[in-house]
Amino acid sequence: GAVVSQHPSWVICKSGTSVKIECRSLDFQATTMFWYRQFPKQSLMLMATSNEGSKATYEQGVEKDKFLINHASLTLSTLTVTSAHPEDSSFYICSAREKGENYGYTFGSGTRLTVV
Amino acid sequence: AQSVTQLGSHVSVSEGALVLLRCNYSSSVPPYLFWYVQYPNQGLQLLLKYTTGATLVKGINGFEAEFKKSETSFHLTKPSAHMSDAAEYFCAVSDRTGGSYIPTFGRGTSLIVHP
Repeated sequence: GAVVSQHPSWVICKSGTSVKIECRSLDFQATTMFWYRQFPKQSLMLMATSNEGSKATYEQGVEKDKFLINHASLTLSTLTVTSAHPEDSSFYICSAREKGENYGYTFGSGTRLTVV
Repeated sequence: AQSVTQLGSHVSVSEGALVLLRCNYSSSVPPYLFWYVQYPNQGLQLLLKYTTGATLVKGINGFEAEFKKSETSFHLTKPSAHMSDAAEYFCAVSDRTGGSYIPTFGRGTSLIVHP
């Protein structure tokens, strides 16, 4: 089946630094990838939709300059948390939709970000 | 706009007992429906989905769900709970009109299984 690899699985960084999270579709082409943020004991909050070769579409309230998304190829999307602060600490999950699929979403294993 | 309601943030069952996790949606057109499971510090794994056809859908790990249009429900069941079923379960809907198909998630239900 479709596999999405998300890396790193956890990261600790200092306030003010930037962190990059990668999301790769291993065995399929993903024209669209999604980035979610999940707070403890809560549901997934969609942050942005990333389309290959174009600018990401951010959900209302999500700072695009804070959360930089790049979808440079059909198999890779990256989320960079810039100038991270403790309030950015969270669990980030990516999801990919296979080219031609309307409802086949595969999720990465998530990244636990802790900003100290 | 569509929405998803999962009744009960926590459901506690004994090992071997029936599992029932409730999900209701609001949408003018029956959407695509999904159930996902999430183990601690992991991503989401698809348990099952309904898109069209038979309304009783069988998924992995012995779970199944039934789409009931008249009740706008898609409850998840498993006849006999196992300790390994303890996890967070999310119901999700995806609008089959409009073209975006981006799923909307419920708030999740934590399944607790007692020995």
